[in-house]
Amino acid sequence: DTAVSQTPKYLVTQMGNDKSIKCEQNLGHDTMYWYKQDSKKFLKIMFSYNNKELIINETVPNRFSPKSPDKAHLNLHINSLELGDSAVYFCASSQVYRRQGGPEAFFGQGTRLTVV
Amino acid sequence: GIQVEQSPPDLILQEGANSTLRCNFSDSVNNLQWFHQNPWGQLINLFYIPSGTKQNGRLSATTVATERYSLLYISSSQTTDSGVYFCAVGYTGNQFYFGTGTSLTVIP
Repeated sequence: DTAVSQTPKYLVTQMGNDKSIKCEQNLGHDTMYWYKQDSKKFLKIMFSYNNKELIINETVPNRFSPKSPDKAHLNLHINSLELGDSAVYFCASSQVYRRQGGPEAFFGQGTRLTVV
Repeated sequence: GIQVEQSPPDLILQEGANSTLRCNFSDSVNNLQWFHQNPWGQLINLFYIPSGTKQNGRLSATTVATERYSLLYISSSQTTDSGVYFCAVGYTGNQFYFGTGTSLTVIP
């Protein structure tokens, strides 16, 4: 069983379209994240949700809207796609509130988005 | 935010060689992880190591939290070790801060 799964793995779409990426975790974690990996491989936080509540919303265009229907899911919807949105998007989860120790992150396999 | 620096940025090794990757971070953390991004783009968890030393086969890691650095050792490298190695740290769990990675190429 895949702990953190994202779909689709590849997404090719035209400029101006709206698309969604889905993410599900079966680890029972309380926190989920979206990260963007740019062409230089740098990984940067976009959003984080704890128990369905938005915690982090970095400087991301408001064309990007995360939605967390429940603790196990965090989907990313992107409106009016632009060429510069082409990147790899990673979903992750962790258990932040633990009896001891810090949180450990687990990542999905990534979604390679190409906007043409 | 927490600054994370990794060195070296690039490394080319002959198969069978050993290497040490370093991660320096700017603030106290209660999470430090090492990941391997393989050529297919997957981020593989290698170690969760906010302090101390762990070993897993040919890989081992040491974190000295008081001095704010961590080391990843790869012994007897294989071509399958190629990829990018990332260090990620955090404190609150609201986000994890990534270094810029070390790109490793192991040649046969």
